[in-house]
Formats: sequence, structure tokens, C-alpha cells
Amino acid sequence: DIQMTQSPSSLSASVGDRVTITCRASQSISSYLNWYQQKPGKAPKLLIYAASSLQSGVPSRFSGSGSGTDFTLTISSLQPEDFATYYCQQSYSILFTFGPGTKVDIK
Amino acid sequence: QVQLQESGPGLVKPSQTLSLTCTVSGGSISSGGYYWSWIRQHPGKGLEWIGYIYYSGSTYYNPSLKSRVTISVDTSKNQFSLKLSSVTAADTAVYYCARESRSSEYYFDYWGQGTLVTVSS
Repeated sequence: DIQMTQSPSSLSASVGDRVTITCRASQSISSYLNWYQQKPGKAPKLLIYAASSLQSGVPSRFSGSGSGTDFTLTISSLQPEDFATYYCQQSYSILFTFGPGTKVDIK
Repeated sequence: QVQLQESGPGLVKPSQTLSLTCTVSGGSISSGGYYWSWIRQHPGKGLEWIGYIYYSGSTYYNPSLKSRVTISVDTSKNQFSLKLSSVTAADTAVYYCARESRSSEYYFDYWGQGTLVTVSS
């Protein structure tokens, strides 16, 4: 299995802050990396696919970068609706795996 | 707009079989280029992919669950289903169905709202 790790596991930030979340794969996954946002009691929502492609309808303050084993999700200016948990997911292997999540809460 | 909706019992007894159905609306499950998955999330935990099915009936399961999982499809009803046998308390989770888009990239672009299944006597 390809193991996914994320850092930090949680962070506190203020509205307007720039936020960066890191995801690392246990082996190279090229650009087969997706990012999801999950709010309490809701299903995950696709934000970024293929490491850096913004899903339709997702605000441009979200961006993704990276390839190989190291990836980053950036929120350029945190908004109140962005407080949530963020998961990365690899789709390189047929056995899809998710990172453990990064919870972003209000400072 | 594609929508997915899970349905099934919210309480299952230990050793019995968990059965859920996902009804797809706003699009045909028989459309090429999409695979249909089940994903679960243990309370307060991360996401675990269970397996997928293509409209033709081909499947792939997470090896950690493979011996207990069956996913099937009913194209006439635009539904796909999950059966998980011999459940224990460790199978208590929110179960999601999701559409996996496959072109040159693979990602889950539509999800059901999720349904909590509790395994308890």
C-alpha cells in the first residue's frame, strides 16, 4: 500500500491568513494526488485533482502543487467557510489511500 | 447535477451482513469513464476506500476487506450496492458512495451524504 502522511495534523489560523498543508507519499505517485475538504457531518468535497488542477466551482484561493512524493495545498487568504478538515488522496495505485487529515480551526 | 444517495439499515448486529445501496440521479451509472466506489469513515477518523465497481460489473476491492466485501450494480435502477459480511464493532462507520472520474486523472468528484452504520447487538 502507498502510505500518505500529512502535516501538520491540525493548525489554528485567522481569517485572511495564508495556510499551507503538506502531504507526503511513501513512494512516488507522479501527480496522482487529490485534495478534499470535509466539514463536520458532511461528505468530503473535491478541491484539487491531479496535484494542481482546481475543481470547477472551487474558489481560486485554493491551490495545489507538487509531484513525486511531496505535495502542498495552499489557501491564499483563509475565509470563515474554510475552517474544516483537509485530506489528500493518492490515485496512482489502484488501492486508493487517503492521508490522515489536517484540521484547520479558528485561532 | 449528479447526486448520490445511500440507503440501508443504520443498525446491524455483530456477525451479520451490512447491506447498503447507492442510488444515482442526474446521470447514468452506465456512462463510460466513471467508476462507482464505497468509502467509509470510522467515527472521528480518516477515510478508507472499500472498493469500486464499473457498470459492466468489474470490481476491485481493498485487500484488507476483500474476503468480506461484495459490490454489485443494477443498471436498470441506476444503483450500486455494498455487502459487508461478518461485521464487528470495528465496522461501525459512516459509509459513503462516490463517483470516481477517470480520464487521464482519477478522483472522486461526487459523493453521497453518507450514512452511519452502527454494529451492535
